[in-house]
Amino acid sequence: DAGVTQSPTHLIKTRGQQVTLRCSPKSGHDTVSWYQQALGQGPQFIFQYYEEEERQRGNFPDRFSGHQFPNYSSELNVNALLLGDSALYLCASSWTQETQYFGPGTRLLVL
Amino acid sequence: GQQVMQIPQYQHVQEGEDFTTYCNSSTTLSNIQWYKQRPGGHPVFLIQLVKSGEVKKQKRLTFQFGEAKKNSSLHITATQTTDVGTYFCAGPWGNYKLTFGKGTLLTVNP
Repeated sequence: DAGVTQSPTHLIKTRGQQVTLRCSPKSGHDTVSWYQQALGQGPQFIFQYYEEEERQRGNFPDRFSGHQFPNYSSELNVNALLLGDSALYLCASSWTQETQYFGPGTRLLVL
Repeated sequence: GQQVMQIPQYQHVQEGEDFTTYCNSSTTLSNIQWYKQRPGGHPVFLIQLVKSGEVKKQKRLTFQFGEAKKNSSLHITATQTTDVGTYFCAGPWGNYKLTFGKGTLLTVNP
């Protein structure tokens, strides 16, 4: 039984570009949450997807958007990248509101 | 908005010494969760506490939830080098969001 998987593992972009990160939830999970973790900080909630809809959003600008597919996998899109978007992006899956299990993350570097 | 504070930010111990990290929320929590993140890794769920005054043990780790459900602690007895990492507490905010503290980075000198 695979856990939460994320791709790519690492990514380098330049300012102004757009990026798409992908997440496959743990088998049996229907809810996907995305977090941004800057160096030395705790994860910051971006948004959560359930039944293909965003149902709560953290304090992030509209440049951050997402999508959930019928198979429960999810994408995080970030437009007009800024240097400050450099971080570890974590996906966490759960079954409804049960314990969240984190994937290995995608390390994004914006130059 | 909800804030979750953790102290200390860093803790360096000799192997075999005890370690404690404290977590305080600005609001009453329905539950509190603890995660461990190894260097270069991702957060791994350790435990969830739900009841006021609850104490749970996992081998050398003891977790406590305060009576007012606004604070929590994690105590590690006789630390080992495998305990190295950042320990985060997290509390739910609204129905779906988890708010994390900044974590306590534990380093252990063998």
